Amino acid sequence: GQNIDQPTEMTATEGAIVQINCTYQTSGFNGLFWYQQHAGEAPTFLSYNVLDGLEEKGRFSSFLSRSKGYSYLLLKELQMKDSASYLCAVMDSNYQLIWGAGTKLIIKP
Amino acid sequence: GAVVSQHPSRVICKSGTSVKIECRSLDFQATTMFWYRQFPKQSLMLMATSNEGSKATYEQGVEKDKFLINHASLTLSTLTVTSAHPEDSSFYICSARAGTGQETQYFGPGTRLLVL
Repeated sequence: GQNIDQPTEMTATEGAIVQINCTYQTSGFNGLFWYQQHAGEAPTFLSYNVLDGLEEKGRFSSFLSRSKGYSYLLLKELQMKDSASYLCAVMDSNYQLIWGAGTKLIIKP
Repeated sequence: GAVVSQHPSRVICKSGTSVKIECRSLDFQATTMFWYRQFPKQSLMLMATSNEGSKATYEQGVEKDKFLINHASLTLSTLTVTSAHPEDSSFYICSARAGTGQETQYFGPGTRLLVL
């Protein structure tokens, strides 16, 4: 079966760095997405990785290792507004998105 | 990024009535649109995938006669919840992508449905 694993919840301090991991097992791979979802709102697109390596976009970076079925989202210089759920999603061989359950990130002052 | 709108943002209705939710891609043509449902503190659940001009493909366990989906144009898809019941109360979110390949899905703001 297809499976996406990510931690349920993480806590970090304002100004610090946090890494949210995602491991996956899917039928085929056509890229991995990270989305941010604030409570009561729809997800917003953060990043897309299809090749191995690190993609940096401002305070957020996303890493992919296809051989390990592993990705992480790195958030630097954490701000209170970064408190949200972070969803990992993998596009399978049929170009369908398989969603993880999301990681709730709590930022403390 | 691409913009997707959804209307209404919030709706309260009586049990047994039908509710229509619209999803529009504002600045691109959406070949494919997706409808998701999300219960509190749970992950997104894909309900159906619709391609413009063809019938929607429903996920297992989703009743196609209860959740009617119409994707009549490249910028509009509608979801109608027929004979709504309290258990249908949820956050309904649509997303759209321009092509049929690796393109990113962009989400609408969601519609919160409360059935009394």
